[in-house]
Amino acid sequence: GAVVSQHPSWVICKSGTSVKIECRSLDFQATTMFWYRQFPKQSLMLMATSNEGSKATYEQGVEKDKFLINHASLTLSTLTVTSAHPEDSSFFICSATSWRAMETQYFGPGTRLLVL
Amino acid sequence: GQNIDQPTEMTATEGAIVQINCTYQTSGFNGLFWYQQHAGEAPTFLSYNVLDGLEEKGRFSSFLSRSKGYSYLLLKELQMKDSASYLCAVMDSNYQLIWGAGTKLIIKP
Repeated sequence: GAVVSQHPSWVICKSGTSVKIECRSLDFQATTMFWYRQFPKQSLMLMATSNEGSKATYEQGVEKDKFLINHASLTLSTLTVTSAHPEDSSFFICSATSWRAMETQYFGPGTRLLVL
Repeated sequence: GQNIDQPTEMTATEGAIVQINCTYQTSGFNGLFWYQQHAGEAPTFLSYNVLDGLEEKGRFSSFLSRSKGYSYLLLKELQMKDSASYLCAVMDSNYQLIWGAGTKLIIKP
């Protein structure tokens, strides 16, 4: 089946630093990638939708300058948390769809961010 | 390798009961999640099981047997709005989520 990977799986950083998280589709071309944020035992909150080669569409309330998303190729999207603060600590999950099956999202394993 | 299996699609009748099974083989276990996802929307958290047994929450119940690597989501008194995909996900020893492919549930009147 389709595989989506995320790197790194864990990040611990100091307040004020920027953190880049990668999301890769390993065996298919992801025309659309989604970035979600999750707090413990809560639903995934969609942060943004990105299509390859174009600017990401952010959900209401998500700071574009805080969470920079780039979808430079059909297999890679990156989320950069700029000037991270402790309240940014959470679990970030990406998912990807391909043009062959737009109704199906393939989820990554998640990246846990802890900002000290 | 790590693996989560759940049926691709199920059909049920409005007002009936349906059970969606999920079997897993993972490196360690830190809990099993069930999510509901309507087309075009983000997944909604339904349940989290880390101990064996049945957890009931309204019309939805989730069961876990760690020794068998098995869980099910039970939906009672089905409503048309329950038509959605149901995702099973296991958190492994590294606290990574291993996702099932999802079960598309179709409710017929």
